[in-house]
Amino acid sequence: DAGVTQSPTHLIKTRGQHVTLRCSPISGHKSVSWYQQVLGQGPQFIFQYYEKEERGRGNFPDRFSARQFPNYSSELNVNALLLGDSALYLCASSSDLRSTQYFGPGTRLTVL
Amino acid sequence: QKEVEQDPGPLSVPEGAIVSLNCTYSNSAFQYFMWYRQYSRKGPELLMYTYSSGNKEDGRFTAQVDKSSKYISLFIRDSQPSDSATYLCARNGIFGTGTRLKVLA
Repeated sequence: DAGVTQSPTHLIKTRGQHVTLRCSPISGHKSVSWYQQVLGQGPQFIFQYYEKEERGRGNFPDRFSARQFPNYSSELNVNALLLGDSALYLCASSSDLRSTQYFGPGTRLTVL
Repeated sequence: QKEVEQDPGPLSVPEGAIVSLNCTYSNSAFQYFMWYRQYSRKGPELLMYTYSSGNKEDGRFTAQVDKSSKYISLFIRDSQPSDSATYLCARNGIFGTGTRLKVLA
Protein backbone atom coordinates (compact mmCIF):
# COMPACT_ATOMS: atom_id res chain seq x y z
CA ASP A 1 0.00 0.00 0.00
CA ALA A 2 1.19 3.49 -0.83
CA GLY A 3 1.90 5.75 2.07
CA VAL A 4 1.23 9.47 2.23
CA THR A 5 2.51 11.18 -0.90
CA GLN A 6 3.37 14.84 -1.32
CA SER A 7 4.26 16.99 -4.27
CA PRO A 8 6.44 18.65 -5.23
CA THR A 9 9.50 17.34 -3.39
CA HIS A 10 11.36 20.63 -3.56
CA LEU A 11 10.30 24.14 -4.44
CA ILE A 12 12.11 27.45 -4.74
CA LYS A 13 10.12 30.68 -4.69
CA THR A 14 10.82 34.36 -4.21
CA ARG A 15 9.35 36.67 -1.61
CA GLY A 16 5.80 37.77 -2.34
CA GLN A 17 4.97 34.78 -4.51
CA HIS A 18 2.26 32.20 -3.90
CA VAL A 19 2.75 28.45 -3.46
CA THR A 20 0.47 25.40 -3.52
CA LEU A 21 1.54 22.13 -1.93
CA ARG A 22 -0.33 18.87 -2.46
CA CYS A 23 -0.91 15.78 -0.36
CA SER A 24 -2.56 12.41 -0.97
CA PRO A 25 -3.42 10.47 2.19
CA ILE A 26 -3.16 6.76 2.79
CA SER A 27 -6.08 4.96 1.15
CA GLY A 28 -9.03 4.89 3.56
CA HIS A 29 -7.79 7.78 5.67
CA LYS A 30 -10.21 10.69 5.95
CA SER A 31 -8.15 13.17 7.94
CA VAL A 32 -5.21 15.20 6.70
CA SER A 33 -3.03 17.51 8.78
CA TRP A 34 -0.38 19.98 7.69
CA TYR A 35 2.75 20.84 9.64
CA GLN A 36 5.63 23.25 9.16
CA GLN A 37 9.07 22.11 10.28
CA VAL A 38 11.82 24.68 10.44
CA LEU A 39 15.37 23.31 10.56
CA GLY A 40 16.27 22.16 14.05
CA GLN A 41 12.69 22.31 15.34
CA GLY A 42 9.83 19.86 15.70
CA PRO A 43 6.83 20.02 13.36
CA GLN A 44 4.41 22.88 14.09
CA PHE A 45 0.73 22.22 13.48
CA ILE A 46 -0.91 24.34 10.78
CA PHE A 47 -4.28 22.73 9.89
CA GLN A 48 -6.28 19.56 10.28
CA TYR A 49 -9.07 18.57 7.91
CA TYR A 50 -11.54 15.76 8.35
CA GLU A 51 -14.28 14.87 5.90
CA LYS A 52 -13.48 18.03 3.93
CA GLU A 53 -14.01 20.37 6.88
CA GLU A 54 -11.41 22.28 8.83
CA ARG A 55 -11.27 20.79 12.31
CA GLY A 56 -8.21 22.49 13.73
CA ARG A 57 -5.95 25.45 13.06
CA GLY A 58 -2.59 26.31 14.52
CA ASN A 59 -1.12 29.72 15.20
CA PHE A 60 -0.33 30.70 11.61
CA PRO A 61 -1.30 33.90 9.74
CA ASP A 62 -4.17 34.11 7.27
CA ARG A 63 -1.65 33.86 4.43
CA PHE A 64 -1.87 30.12 5.07
CA SER A 65 -4.98 28.32 3.85
CA ALA A 66 -5.88 24.77 2.97
CA ARG A 67 -8.67 22.63 1.66
CA GLN A 68 -9.57 18.98 1.39
CA PHE A 69 -11.17 17.45 -1.68
CA PRO A 70 -13.89 14.75 -1.96
CA ASN A 71 -11.17 12.11 -2.52
CA TYR A 72 -9.57 13.28 0.79
CA SER A 73 -6.47 14.71 -0.87
CA SER A 74 -5.50 18.15 0.29
CA GLU A 75 -3.79 21.36 -0.75
CA LEU A 76 -1.92 23.87 1.38
CA ASN A 77 -1.68 27.38 -0.03
CA VAL A 78 0.64 30.10 1.18
CA ASN A 79 0.31 33.65 -0.15
CA ALA A 80 2.75 36.55 -0.03
CA LEU A 81 5.70 34.33 0.82
CA LEU A 82 8.24 35.54 3.37
CA LEU A 83 11.81 34.38 3.89
CA GLY A 84 10.67 32.84 7.19
CA ASP A 85 8.30 30.51 5.35
CA SER A 86 11.29 28.46 4.22
CA ALA A 87 10.77 25.08 5.83
CA LEU A 88 9.85 21.45 5.32
CA TYR A 89 6.07 21.21 4.95
CA LEU A 90 4.73 17.89 6.14
CA CYS A 91 1.41 16.27 5.49
CA ALA A 92 0.08 13.57 7.81
CA SER A 93 -2.96 11.37 7.36
CA SER A 94 -5.05 9.44 9.85
CA SER A 95 -8.23 7.43 9.69
CA ASP A 96 -10.06 9.88 11.96
CA LEU A 97 -9.39 12.91 14.14
CA ARG A 98 -7.68 11.12 17.01
CA SER A 99 -6.01 8.16 15.32
CA THR A 100 -2.32 7.72 14.74
CA GLN A 101 -0.90 10.08 12.13
CA TYR A 102 1.39 8.89 9.36
CA PHE A 103 3.63 11.44 7.69
CA GLY A 104 4.61 11.93 4.11
CA PRO A 105 8.17 12.75 3.01
CA GLY A 106 7.47 16.48 2.98
CA THR A 107 7.93 19.34 0.55
CA ARG A 108 11.02 21.44 1.09
CA LEU A 109 10.19 25.08 0.35
CA THR A 110 12.94 27.63 -0.04
CA VAL A 111 11.98 31.30 -0.26
CA LEU A 112 14.65 33.61 -1.66
CA GLN B 1 6.40 26.56 29.44
CA LYS B 2 6.13 24.62 26.17
CA GLU B 3 3.50 21.89 26.02
CA VAL B 4 6.10 19.25 25.13
CA GLU B 5 9.76 19.68 26.00
CA GLN B 6 12.73 17.64 24.82
CA ASP B 7 16.46 18.01 25.24
CA PRO B 8 17.70 18.72 21.68
CA GLY B 9 20.99 16.89 22.22
CA PRO B 10 23.00 15.85 20.35
CA LEU B 11 23.37 12.57 22.20
CA SER B 12 26.29 10.35 21.14
CA VAL B 13 26.50 6.72 22.28
CA PRO B 14 28.64 3.71 21.28
CA GLU B 15 27.09 0.91 19.26
CA GLY B 16 25.29 -1.60 21.50
CA ALA B 17 24.48 0.93 24.24
CA ILE B 18 21.04 1.38 25.77
CA VAL B 19 19.67 4.78 24.81
CA SER B 20 17.21 6.72 26.95
CA LEU B 21 15.30 9.61 25.35
CA ASN B 22 12.97 11.73 27.43
CA CYS B 23 10.15 14.25 27.15
CA THR B 24 8.08 16.19 29.64
CA TYR B 25 4.65 17.66 29.03
CA SER B 26 2.53 20.24 30.77
CA ASN B 27 -1.16 19.58 30.00
CA SER B 28 -3.32 16.87 31.55
CA ALA B 29 -6.22 16.74 29.08
CA PHE B 30 -7.09 13.51 27.21
CA GLN B 31 -3.86 12.41 25.71
CA TYR B 32 -2.04 9.99 23.53
CA PHE B 33 1.69 9.83 23.11
CA MET B 34 3.84 9.04 20.14
CA TRP B 35 7.48 8.65 19.28
CA TYR B 36 8.67 9.37 15.76
CA ARG B 37 12.06 8.85 14.16
CA GLN B 38 13.19 11.33 11.55
CA TYR B 39 16.21 10.86 9.33
CA SER B 40 17.84 13.93 7.86
CA ARG B 41 15.67 15.64 5.21
CA LYS B 42 12.93 12.99 5.51
CA GLY B 43 9.44 12.96 7.00
CA PRO B 44 8.91 11.59 10.54
CA GLU B 45 8.33 7.84 10.78
CA LEU B 46 6.03 6.56 13.52
CA LEU B 47 7.86 4.27 15.96
CA MET B 48 5.40 3.76 18.80
CA TYR B 49 2.21 5.15 20.26
CA THR B 50 0.40 4.65 23.53
CA TYR B 51 -2.67 5.97 25.29
CA SER B 52 -1.92 4.81 28.81
CA SER B 53 0.62 4.88 31.58
CA GLY B 54 3.17 2.10 31.79
CA ASN B 55 5.45 0.40 29.29
CA LYS B 56 4.93 -0.67 25.71
CA GLU B 57 7.55 -2.77 23.97
CA ASP B 58 8.22 -3.32 20.27
CA GLY B 59 11.42 -5.14 19.39
CA ARG B 60 14.38 -3.09 20.59
CA PHE B 61 12.15 -0.14 21.48
CA THR B 62 10.26 0.46 24.74
CA ALA B 63 8.00 3.47 25.33
CA GLN B 64 7.25 4.45 28.90
CA VAL B 65 4.63 6.92 30.10
CA ASP B 66 4.42 8.24 33.64
CA LYS B 67 1.30 10.41 33.80
CA SER B 68 1.78 11.27 37.46
CA SER B 69 5.09 13.02 36.72
CA LYS B 70 4.16 13.95 33.09
CA TYR B 71 7.19 12.16 31.75
CA ILE B 72 7.57 10.18 28.51
CA SER B 73 10.58 8.02 27.70
CA LEU B 74 11.82 5.94 24.79
CA PHE B 75 14.46 3.27 25.39
CA ILE B 76 16.47 1.73 22.57
CA ARG B 77 18.30 -1.49 23.35
CA ASP B 78 21.38 -2.69 21.46
CA SER B 79 21.59 0.60 19.58
CA GLN B 80 22.88 0.49 16.00
CA PRO B 81 24.46 3.14 13.76
CA SER B 82 21.25 2.96 11.68
CA ASP B 83 19.40 4.32 14.75
CA SER B 84 21.20 7.64 14.26
CA ALA B 85 18.39 10.12 13.65
CA THR B 86 16.28 12.74 15.39
CA TYR B 87 13.66 11.33 17.75
CA LEU B 88 10.48 13.34 18.20
CA CYS B 89 7.98 12.85 20.98
CA ALA B 90 4.43 14.09 20.54
CA ARG B 91 1.41 14.44 22.79
CA ASN B 92 -1.96 14.88 21.11
CA GLY B 93 -0.24 16.02 17.92
CA ILE B 94 1.96 18.60 19.65
CA PHE B 95 5.63 17.87 19.00
CA GLY B 96 8.76 18.46 20.97
CA THR B 97 11.84 19.87 19.25
CA GLY B 98 13.37 16.42 18.87
CA THR B 99 16.55 14.86 20.25
CA ARG B 100 19.36 14.21 17.81
CA LEU B 101 20.95 10.78 18.41
CA LYS B 102 24.24 9.55 16.98
CA VAL B 103 25.26 5.92 17.47
CA LEU B 104 28.97 5.47 16.88
CA ALA B 105 30.23 2.27 15.23
